[in-house]
Amino acid sequence: DIQMTQSPSTLSASVGDRVTITCRASRSISSWLAWYQQKPGKAPKLLIYKASSLDSGVPSRFSGSRSGTEFTLTISSLQPDDFATYYCQQYNDYSPTTFGQGTKVEIK
Amino acid sequence: QVQLQESGPGLVKPSETLSLTCTVSGGSISSYYWSWIRQPPGKGLEWIGYVYYTGTTNYNPSLKSRVTISLDTSKNQFSLKLNSVTAADTAVYFCARGSRELELRDFDPWGQGTLVTVSS
Repeated sequence: DIQMTQSPSTLSASVGDRVTITCRASRSISSWLAWYQQKPGKAPKLLIYKASSLDSGVPSRFSGSRSGTEFTLTISSLQPDDFATYYCQQYNDYSPTTFGQGTKVEIK
Repeated sequence: QVQLQESGPGLVKPSETLSLTCTVSGGSISSYYWSWIRQPPGKGLEWIGYVYYTGTTNYNPSLKSRVTISLDTSKNQFSLKLNSVTAADTAVYFCARGSRELELRDFDPWGQGTLVTVSS
């Protein structure tokens, strides 16, 4: 299996902060990576696909990038609605497709 | 707009079979991959497997010996069966669609999820 290592596990930040979450793949996954946002009691919501493409309707303060096997989700200016848990998913290898362990963004 | 809704028992006894159904509304089962994903309480996401609209399936090797996913195109539904369950199978179970036709990739949309507890 391809292991996806997310960091940090928890992040404390304030409204207006720039926030960065990292996901590292155990081997090459090209750009086949997605980011999701999940709020308590809800299903994950797709934010970014193919490492850096913003899904329809997602605010432009969210962005994604890739450097080799390291992927980054950036929120340029954290908004109250952004406090949630974020997951990455690799889909280069679907045997199985795997998720990172999640990063909880909480209020500082 | 496509919507997915999980249904099935919320309580299953140890060693029995967990059975869930996902009903797809607002669109057809055709041309997409349909997956089950689970999330134990307070933990991360685990992909269980998919069924393609043709009926082809693929399962997570960690669960493969216990899982069956099937399709009912006449009802626009797909189903999950997980046998010989234990407490470790207690989780919120989500159904989800591949985000693009004919492609294995990310998931969108998702169902709201249903909590299944394994307990006697």
